[in-house]
Amino acid sequence: QVQLVQSGAEVKKPGASVKVSCKAYGYTFTDNGLSWVRQAPGQGLEWMGWISTHRGNTIYVQKLQGRVTLTSDTATRTAYMELRSLRSDDTAMYYCVRDKKHSLDMWGQGTRVTVVS
Amino acid sequence: QSALTQPPSASGSPGQSVAISCTGTSSDIGAYNFVSWYQQHPGKAPKLIIYEVNERPSGVPDRFSGSKSGNTASLTVSGLQTEDEADYYCVSYAGSNKVFGGGTRLTVL
Repeated sequence: QVQLVQSGAEVKKPGASVKVSCKAYGYTFTDNGLSWVRQAPGQGLEWMGWISTHRGNTIYVQKLQGRVTLTSDTATRTAYMELRSLRSDDTAMYYCVRDKKHSLDMWGQGTRVTVVS
Repeated sequence: QSALTQPPSASGSPGQSVAISCTGTSSDIGAYNFVSWYQQHPGKAPKLIIYEVNERPSGVPDRFSGSKSGNTASLTVSGLQTEDEADYYCVSYAGSNKVFGGGTRLTVL
């Protein structure tokens, strides 16, 4: 079955880091890049960045530059999103999404990250 | 990059049509034909319903259609059904990054 399966929920303290994984099934991992999108509780969707699963090059939204790192491992068909120096406003659902010609055609189930002291 | 502008809410009765607008700039919607729309039901992940302005993925009913004029894109839902009640988001490619609209809550009265 074609799907993206993400790691489980995380609870972190302010200032800590979180690393979310996203494993691809049922399609050729390197055929399409992956975007990461987050959604704070009760809020809209926010694009965080994109990684080429073929070459590993990345693009990040300006507001997260320096705090976020996207990586991917073609051997395990798994992508990762690491966010550092967590703040309370980073509390959100984080989604990995297959990025096919600039449309987000397949979404992971989401990973809830809660930042609380 | 500023967010695309969507109305916060829209509504219609079953069977009616409703259009949701999405306004950007000449650097995003106006520059590229890579506008997509997503439907999100409460507690669920978003679902792609329109890509490349007016293309529908397999399995999406033809009641959903998209268009673009200048810096504004639109999603039209025809023959409203109760299951269409959801949040809708537009997204545009913007030259390297992507920019989202703030979302529109569609209520089926």
